Amino acid sequence: EAGVTQFPSHSVIEKGQTVTLRCDPISGHDNLYWYRRVMGKEIKFLLHFVKESKQDESGMPNNRFLAERTGGTYSTLKVQPAELEDSGVYFCASSQLRGNSPLHFGNGTRLTVT
Amino acid sequence: DAKTTQPNSMESNEEEPVHLPCNHSTISGTDYIHWYRQLPSQGPEYVIHGLTSNVNNRMASLAIAEDRKSSTLILHRATLRDAAVYYCTRYNQGGKLIFGQGTELSVKP
Repeated sequence: EAGVTQFPSHSVIEKGQTVTLRCDPISGHDNLYWYRRVMGKEIKFLLHFVKESKQDESGMPNNRFLAERTGGTYSTLKVQPAELEDSGVYFCASSQLRGNSPLHFGNGTRLTVT
Repeated sequence: DAKTTQPNSMESNEEEPVHLPCNHSTISGTDYIHWYRQLPSQGPEYVIHGLTSNVNNRMASLAIAEDRKSSTLILHRATLRDAAVYYCTRYNQGGKLIFGQGTELSVKP
């Protein structure tokens, strides 16, 4: 089975620009999550989709971040406008719908805002 | 959300067992304990999970204290490929993982 794929693997943008990260979950996984790690900090939860619905977006830092999952398949995370403190590694994960299923993570997108 | 607490780093010799401790003294009764590990330039990889009972799988064993305030991940025979950052996480019913800082495990040949 193909794993969780994220694109791009790296992105370098200037402050004020827009960046869109994409995540393709494992086929058949209804749960999709976004996490991120900023420099020196632990990995933190951003939000959780169940199919196309946002189940929990309590970790989204502010309204410059917009996540979508149209049709319940792939997801995008847009940062607009990007700020320096948004630099970090953004991970996507997916899991099956039943409770307590392990999460399968992608390799992340390393975002650098200059 | 209270994080888990782990040693920053540990060392092991190849072919020897490794016991990675984790404290989660404020864990709620319904939160599972999930362990993940992360190799350089990769995302976290699931290792094992449990609620109250000890668990075994092909990768590792998980020993959970009776009061659930701590747990230990056991790698029975460390290999060089086991060198990674190991995360002990709380997993709530909504599927939200709460990560701590993790333990960086190095394995010496």
